[in-house]
Amino acid sequence: DAKTTQPPSMDCAEGRAANLPCNHSTISGNEYVYWYRQIHSQGPQYIIHGLKNNETNEMASLIITEDRKSSTLILPHATLRDTAVYYCFPSGNTPLVFGKGTRLSVIA
Amino acid sequence: DGGITQSPKYLFRKEGQNVTLSCEQNLNHDAMYWYRQDPGQGLRLIYYSQIVNDFQKGDIAEGYSVSREKKESFPLTVTSAQKNPTAFYLCASRLHERRPEAFFGQGTRLTVV
Repeated sequence: DAKTTQPPSMDCAEGRAANLPCNHSTISGNEYVYWYRQIHSQGPQYIIHGLKNNETNEMASLIITEDRKSSTLILPHATLRDTAVYYCFPSGNTPLVFGKGTRLSVIA
Repeated sequence: DGGITQSPKYLFRKEGQNVTLSCEQNLNHDAMYWYRQDPGQGLRLIYYSQIVNDFQKGDIAEGYSVSREKKESFPLTVTSAQKNPTAFYLCASRLHERRPEAFFGQGTRLTVV
C-alpha cells in the first residue's frame, strides 16, 4: 500500500524487545495510526492505535513521532507466539486498508 | 459467545460455478467487510457495508457480489466472472467505521479446480 512503508521482515530473540518501524508520511491530520497482526492462517488481530501521543496497552506500546510521519510498535518481551505479520496503516472513517506488513520471526 | 463466524473453513468448487461464502456476526456491529488474501500478500478489500441494506465496492470488487439484508449477515458470492478465485477469504466486522478494533473470522480457503 503506497500509504505506508514497513520492512518486509525482521528477527527478534525471544525475551528481547521487538521494535517494528513504520513510515506513514502522507498521514492526514484526522487519521489514526493502527497496528494489527496476523498469525499464520488466521484473521488479523487488533493490537493498538494512536493519534499523536504514545500509547500502551497489555499487548504493546506505540511510539509516534512528533510530525506523525512514522511510528514504532514495541513488543517489550517478545515470545515465540508473537511470530506473525504486523500491519501498520493510517485510517480515519474508512475501511481498514492493509498493506504487506512486516513478518516478525521470534527466535528461541 | 459473541463473535464472527465464517463457513465453511475449506471450500472446493469447479471452475465456472458460483459459490457463496457465509459470514455471520452476533456482535451487533454495523460495519462488515470482505477481504481476499493471496499467498504471501496482504489483505485486499473486496466489498464493505457500513449499514444494513447498503454496501460499497472495495479495491477488487470485479467478479464478486454481496448482500446485506440483515445486520448480522454479509454473504459473499464469488461468481464465474472472477478470473482467479482461488484464495483465502476473510470477513470482518466492527461497531462502526470510527472504531479502531475490527474482529475477523477464521477465514474460508476457496479452491477452484
